[in-house]
Amino acid sequence: GAVVSQHPSWVICKSGTSVKIECRSLDFQATTMFWYRQFPKQSLMLMATSNEGSKATYEQGVEKDKFLINHASLTLSTLTVTSAHPEDSSFYICSARPHDRYNEQFFGPGTRLTVL
Amino acid sequence: AQTVTQSQPEMSVQEAETVTLSCTYDTSESNYYLFWYKQPPSRQMILVIRQEAYKQQNATENRFSVNFQKAAKSFSLKISDSQLGDTAMYFCAFMNTNAGKSTFGDGTTLTVKP
Repeated sequence: GAVVSQHPSWVICKSGTSVKIECRSLDFQATTMFWYRQFPKQSLMLMATSNEGSKATYEQGVEKDKFLINHASLTLSTLTVTSAHPEDSSFYICSARPHDRYNEQFFGPGTRLTVL
Repeated sequence: AQTVTQSQPEMSVQEAETVTLSCTYDTSESNYYLFWYKQPPSRQMILVIRQEAYKQQNATENRFSVNFQKAAKSFSLKISDSQLGDTAMYFCAFMNTNAGKSTFGDGTTLTVKP
């Protein structure tokens, strides 16, 4: 149990286009999902906290108009990178916290984004 | 704000031997959770072990155990009988009970040598 999927697993796009990444909790309901960014051989940096049915809370320094987050249901959150540029190329990881287990989070496999 | 420090960027150990990874943290919170995660080359984050701050007893999970020193704000991970499959990057993480957000250390790359 407690499986989280991400789609796509990797994506290549042209500069200026938008890319949507989906994060799904497959066998549990997640009131909260987190989005992280990870550069090679570096730590996970929290970008935003996504709560079902409400606006996401962004960490300091993260552009909310560039990284649009939608958490429309208890099993799905999406991250849209708008007008992507090469500096947005990174590994994006989501995690989901079960509604009945506050002290746990389960991670998706990540999405590698390359912007040309 | 919480900070998590892993002072060992890289470590190596011989197969079947024991290795300890260090982690210190700084917080003013009294209720929190601490975690060790493993990230193998596949980059899938895997929970290794979890410690609740209010519990004095150190958590153990098979070959993995922690030494939790709350007063010293130290949370080290001991891996016994190291296996080749333990080769990965290991992250120490702090979870704020109230906000539910996690702060990660910079990671330690562990290589298990045959």
